[in-house]
Amino acid sequence: DTEVTQTPKHLVMGMTNKKSLKCEQHMGHRAMYWYKQKAKKPPELMFVYSYEKLSINESVPSRFSPECPNSSLLNLHLHALQPEDSALYLCASSLSTAPRQETQYFGPGTRLLVL
Amino acid sequence: AQSVAQPEDQVNVAEGNPLTVKCTYSVSGNPYLFWYVQYPNRGLQFLLKYITGDNLVKGSYGFEAEFNKSQTSFHLKKPSALVSDSALYFCAVRPLPNSGNTPLVFGKGTRLSVIA
Repeated sequence: DTEVTQTPKHLVMGMTNKKSLKCEQHMGHRAMYWYKQKAKKPPELMFVYSYEKLSINESVPSRFSPECPNSSLLNLHLHALQPEDSALYLCASSLSTAPRQETQYFGPGTRLLVL
Repeated sequence: AQSVAQPEDQVNVAEGNPLTVKCTYSVSGNPYLFWYVQYPNRGLQFLLKYITGDNLVKGSYGFEAEFNKSQTSFHLKKPSALVSDSALYFCAVRPLPNSGNTPLVFGKGTRLSVIA
């Protein structure tokens, strides 16, 4: 298995809703990442997990809450989002964050629309 | 600060012609450099990377990139473009270890259009 999967593919939610995005990989990777991407822009790093511990939080608002239940699974819990949070949310994984092991493989993304 | 620049927002090339997508970098020391491609409504796909060794790196789908230290460039090339190569291309740099823990810094992207 050489892919990163993300569910759901599309999500529409209201500003008072609570929802979760899910990411899964079975490549034995120990680093996992969440990115936010606006149309025609590069991905913006949100969070990095290394060996199931949060190692980077790029000053993301607390309405985004990541969780790494095990080495294969990464969740992003969403609560009280704003319309400007509408974007493509990408998950990625790599062997680790160490040099020469950091090549990231991306999932197809979840397209989120906040109304 | 470690950064990459993609000077062209858009590159147009005729099918069958060679293509080049430009990337220059600004890092101290020896960089790790990457190219990714993004097709519409999809995630990013890894194409190739340079860490050390030969300056010409070969990657997926017939793409290659040439690392040029004197010009601080890492241009992506393909000898003969296909319509299916039309996509958004991102250059990225890995900051050096012990200089912050940011895994990748992406360029702004270049949209490639291959015209039949």
